[in-house]
Amino acid sequence: KNEVEQSPQNLTAQEGEFITINCSYSVGISALHWLQQHPGGGIVSLFMLSSGKKKHGRLIATINIQEKHSSLHITASHPRDSAVYICAVRLNYGGSQGNLIFGKGTKLSVKP
Amino acid sequence: KAGVTQTPRYLIKTRGQQVTLSCSPISGHRSVSWYQQTPGQGLQFLFEYFSETQRNKGNFPGRFSGRQFSNSRSEMNVSTLELGDSALYLCASSTLAGGAPYEQYFGPGTRLTVT
Repeated sequence: KNEVEQSPQNLTAQEGEFITINCSYSVGISALHWLQQHPGGGIVSLFMLSSGKKKHGRLIATINIQEKHSSLHITASHPRDSAVYICAVRLNYGGSQGNLIFGKGTKLSVKP
Repeated sequence: KAGVTQTPRYLIKTRGQQVTLSCSPISGHRSVSWYQQTPGQGLQFLFEYFSETQRNKGNFPGRFSGRQFSNSRSEMNVSTLELGDSALYLCASSTLAGGAPYEQYFGPGTRLTVT
């Protein structure tokens, strides 16, 4: 079992729909990151969370430390949101403290 | 501010050769992390440097090494290249908060192909 699991793996939505991407982890963490990767490889850091909720424009990220779960929401989705969304957790224990472990990513396609 | 730059952007090498990749962080950022991305394994953490010291290392063989210079620029080296080393190599820079890298800014990556 992977230490960081994302769902769904693939997601197709119509423009304007509300989108949720989930991330569950099984390790102790000090922070969780949501990343966006467009075709061509460029990665943008969207959020870094250690508790609660953050909002940036149409993007909202939440984390529940007790349940070891985070969600990324996109409101009023747009074709330019089409990308791979990657969840990453920063370990907080042992010799690996500070290392990042990544989920496999969720490929989002928003149709006009 | 200029973003994170990586050179070269594309590289083709032969098995057994070695390669050095370079990363220049955003001005003022002293933490540089390196990642490998492959279709099979996804993104994997290689190592992190701060003030010329390696702070963390991922689970990669000793063929993978890195260093950071006093101006925060970083290089990673892969010796005795294998076909499986073909990947996109990304570096990211950040400041530190609470002793850990804060929000990371990624470079465009170096696409390495080993033939």
